[in-house]
Amino acid sequence: KAGVTQTPRYLIKTRGQQVTLSCSPISGHRSVSWYQQTPGQGLQFLFEYFSETQRNKGNFPGRFSGRQFSNSRSEMNVSTLELGDSALYLCASSKEPGQGPDTQYFGPGTRLTVL
Amino acid sequence: QKEVEQNSGPLSVPEGAIASLNCTYSDRVSQSFFWYRQYSGKSPELIMSIYSNGDKEDGRFTAQLNKASQYVSLLIRDSQPSDSATYLCAVISSFGNEKLTFGTGTRLTIIP
Repeated sequence: KAGVTQTPRYLIKTRGQQVTLSCSPISGHRSVSWYQQTPGQGLQFLFEYFSETQRNKGNFPGRFSGRQFSNSRSEMNVSTLELGDSALYLCASSKEPGQGPDTQYFGPGTRLTVL
Repeated sequence: QKEVEQNSGPLSVPEGAIASLNCTYSDRVSQSFFWYRQYSGKSPELIMSIYSNGDKEDGRFTAQLNKASQYVSLLIRDSQPSDSATYLCAVISSFGNEKLTFGTGTRLTIIP
C-alpha cells in the first residue's frame, strides 16, 4: 500500500508570493492533518480536514489556508509569503479522525524556502 | 511557558547505555502522550504512546508518565547508534480534540 505522498518535495519562493502544497493520503484514509516544522518552534499543528471540512485549526494567521477534495487529497495554501514561513510542511493521514496518532501516518514533507 | 517542553540537547550517550529523555507539559487536563523519533531529513515516526500513570514497555523502549508532576519520559535501554535521532514528545489535551502539541525535540547521539 502506498504511503502518504506530498508534492512538491522542495520549493523555493520569494517574499510576497503564494504557494500551494499538495498531500495525497494513504488509500482509504479520509482525515488529513497539516503541520509546520521549524528549528525554533518545532512541529506545530496547522489544521485538520475530514470529509472536505476543516475540523480543527491551529494558531496560524489567515494567510495559511487549506482545503480537502472529495477524493480526500488535501492542499494547503500560504499567501503573501514571509521569510519566517520557511519550514518543513508535513501532512499526516488517518482513516478517521479521533483515532489518535497510533493510526496516523506522516508524509515525507515539503521543504519550503522563502528568499 | 511553552505547552510542552523538552531539553533540546544534544544528549550524548555511549552505545549500550540507557538514554533518558524527559518532557514536561503545562496543561493539567492532558490525556494522551506520545513519543516520536525523527531521523535527520525524515518525517516523525510514532514509537510509543502512554495514557495512564506508570510505565509502559515496548522492547528496548520504556515510557513513563507521572500526571501529578506533569512529566513524561522515554528510556532507551541498550542504546544503539541507530537510535541517534531527534525525539519529539507530543501531547493531546482532551478527548475529542486530536490536536497534537509537540515539544521542540531532544537530539540524541549514541556514541559507538
